[in-house]
Amino acid sequence: DQQVKQNSPSLSVQEGRISILNCDYTNSMFDYFLWYKKYPAEGPTFLISISSIKDKNEDGRFTVFLNKSAKHLSLHIVPSQPGDSAVYFCAASVAGGTSYGKLTFGQGTILTVHP
Amino acid sequence: EADIYQTPRYLVIGTGKKITLECSQTMGHDKMYWYQQDPGMELHLIHYSYGVNSTEKGDLSSESTVSRIRTEHFPLTLESARPSHTSQYLCASSELYEQYFGPGTRLTVT
Repeated sequence: DQQVKQNSPSLSVQEGRISILNCDYTNSMFDYFLWYKKYPAEGPTFLISISSIKDKNEDGRFTVFLNKSAKHLSLHIVPSQPGDSAVYFCAASVAGGTSYGKLTFGQGTILTVHP
Repeated sequence: EADIYQTPRYLVIGTGKKITLECSQTMGHDKMYWYQQDPGMELHLIHYSYGVNSTEKGDLSSESTVSRIRTEHFPLTLESARPSHTSQYLCASSELYEQYFGPGTRLTVT
């Protein structure tokens, strides 16, 4: 039972354009969401996060949008750069209780940004 | 920049050998985690710890064991490696929700 799903295995974008990566979740108890970037042979790097009390969080070229009613979040990268080419994972967590701090990850989306 | 270290980075070992994957962090985080990831797949939590002498099994069943004797150190041990254990093993630590990952150990069991 996959609670966090990234339905697009890959995305190809031209340099300078917007990249939009999508993520859906099924567990209504999730209330904190994160995006990670991963290069081959390296560990994931934290990018940006959002709490369920917000619907948008921005950090430089990266913006995360949360639609709680649709159980959907997205990561926007504007403008996209070739160095952004990596695998992007979304992750979700439940606040409090025995699951506090534990993350559930999606399968990842491979982003390729062409020069 | 988070300071979390894993050794070795790559390990090729024969079936039946005992191995220990090392993970250390210098941030003083109480929470530490071990994940297993196969290519093209999500990260699966196999062990976690919320502090010294506290360890729990994660969502994915694993034959490995862990210990947490010191805050900064969270080693993972496989008593008898098998080809099915071939995977990437990622260690992470956190204070709150954001987890910081080490570079990972790519394990191949022949």
